[in-house]
Amino acid sequence: QVQLVQSGAEVKKPGASVKISCKASGYTFTNYAVHWVRLAPGQTLEWMGWINPDNDNTNYSPKFQGRVTFTRDTSASTAYMELSSLRSEDTAVYFCARGFELSTSCHPWGQGTLVTVSS
Amino acid sequence: QSALTQPASVSGSPGQSITISCTGTSSDVGGYNYVSWYQQHPGTAPKLMIYAVTTRPSGVSYRFSGSKSGNTASLTISGLQAEDEADYYCSSYTRGSNLIFGGGTKVTVL
Repeated sequence: QVQLVQSGAEVKKPGASVKISCKASGYTFTNYAVHWVRLAPGQTLEWMGWINPDNDNTNYSPKFQGRVTFTRDTSASTAYMELSSLRSEDTAVYFCARGFELSTSCHPWGQGTLVTVSS
Repeated sequence: QSALTQPASVSGSPGQSITISCTGTSSDVGGYNYVSWYQQHPGTAPKLMIYAVTTRPSGVSYRFSGSKSGNTASLTISGLQAEDEADYYCSSYTRGSNLIFGGGTKVTVL
C-alpha cells in the first residue's frame, strides 16, 4: 500500500536548521509531487510547498520562501525538507504528503515529525 | 494569504447531520473546483475525506459529502457517529499551484 514514513523527532536551538526525511513506498516515487505541511500548537494546518521528484521542480509558499529547501533522492524514493534560521514559532509537527488529483490535494500523509525549537 | 474561514466548532448528537462551511475568495474556493476536506484525530496524521469538491476517496464512508456554492464550500456528515469526533480542515487550490488550508473545525459528538 502507499505509505510515507518520516524521520524522528528533533530538538533544535534557535537559529539552527532542521532536515526531515520522508521515504515513500508502494508507488512510483517520481510520478507524484510531495507536499510539506506543518501544524503548530493551537494553529491550523499550514502549507509549505511541494517538490516534483521527477524533475526536481519546487514551489514554495511565499511565507517560507528563502528559508525552506525541498530536495529528493530518487534512488531512495525519499524527499527531504530543510528549514533554516529556526525560531520558537517553528515548533510544530511537520508532515509530508503525496500529491493527489493533479496535486490539488494531499493523500496519503506521513505520520508527522515533531520539531521543537528551544534554547 | 489568510487561511480559509471555518467555524471553530460544530456539534451534534449521534444520528444527526452536521455541516461545516469553508469560505474563501474567488482566487481560491470560488475560482477552482479543487476543494478538499481532511479529518484529523488527535496525535494522528490528517486523512483525506473529500477531494475535487464532491468526490470521496476509496474507503471513505458515504456519510461524508461535499458541495460548493460561490466562494463557500461545505462538508456534511450525516448519521453522526462517535468516531466522527475530530478536527476537520478544508483546503483549496489557489493560483500559482499553491494550496491554502482553513482554520479548522472541531466536531463534537454530544
